[in-house]
Amino acid sequence: EAGVVQSPRYKIIEKKQPVAFWCNPISGHNTLYWYLQNLGQGPELLIRYENEEAVDDSQLPKDRFSAERLKGVDSTLKIQPAELGDSAVYLCASSQNNEQFFGPGTRLTVL
Amino acid sequence: DQQVKQNSPSLSVQEGRISILNCDYTNSMFDYFLWYKKYPAEGPTFLISISSIKDKNEDGRFTVFLNKSAKHLSLHIVPSQPGDSAVYFCAASDGGSNYKLTFGKGTLLTVNP
Repeated sequence: EAGVVQSPRYKIIEKKQPVAFWCNPISGHNTLYWYLQNLGQGPELLIRYENEEAVDDSQLPKDRFSAERLKGVDSTLKIQPAELGDSAVYLCASSQNNEQFFGPGTRLTVL
Repeated sequence: DQQVKQNSPSLSVQEGRISILNCDYTNSMFDYFLWYKKYPAEGPTFLISISSIKDKNEDGRFTVFLNKSAKHLSLHIVPSQPGDSAVYFCAASDGGSNYKLTFGKGTLLTVNP
């Protein structure tokens, strides 16, 4: 069974540029999560989807961050414009029941 | 305000010995606890969990103990193996599901051959 796929694995951009991350969850998993992991910290939830509906986006900075999950499968997380403090690893996870399966993450560096 | 605390950033043990990783929490609403293991350049992988109605859960070499009165849990790995070297995250949720996990900062475990 294929795991959660994320791309790109690494991204370097200059501040004020836009950036997008893509996630393909495990087939059949209805719940999808985006997490932010800063250096030396644990993952922090940004947004959770149940199928195509964002059911918890309370931690998503909506002034610059947006996400979508068209057709309830793949998801995209966007930052526009990026700031220096956005440098982090962005993790996607999916679940069918209680166990969350994580992807390898996208490491973003904002210069 | 860290609701889940892993106060030891790192731990080093000899192969074959016991590894004990500790975790404290402050939110009394947490009722489900998980441990995740993370290798470099990979996402966290689920290791073991425990519900607040239990005080111990065992899976092979891994045992998690929960002390609700102290708001403390620990992960025991016996015997430790070099392949166990990784960052271990403690996580907690409330409401009986792990939909919203609160993670600790992690502990880097190094098992020396």
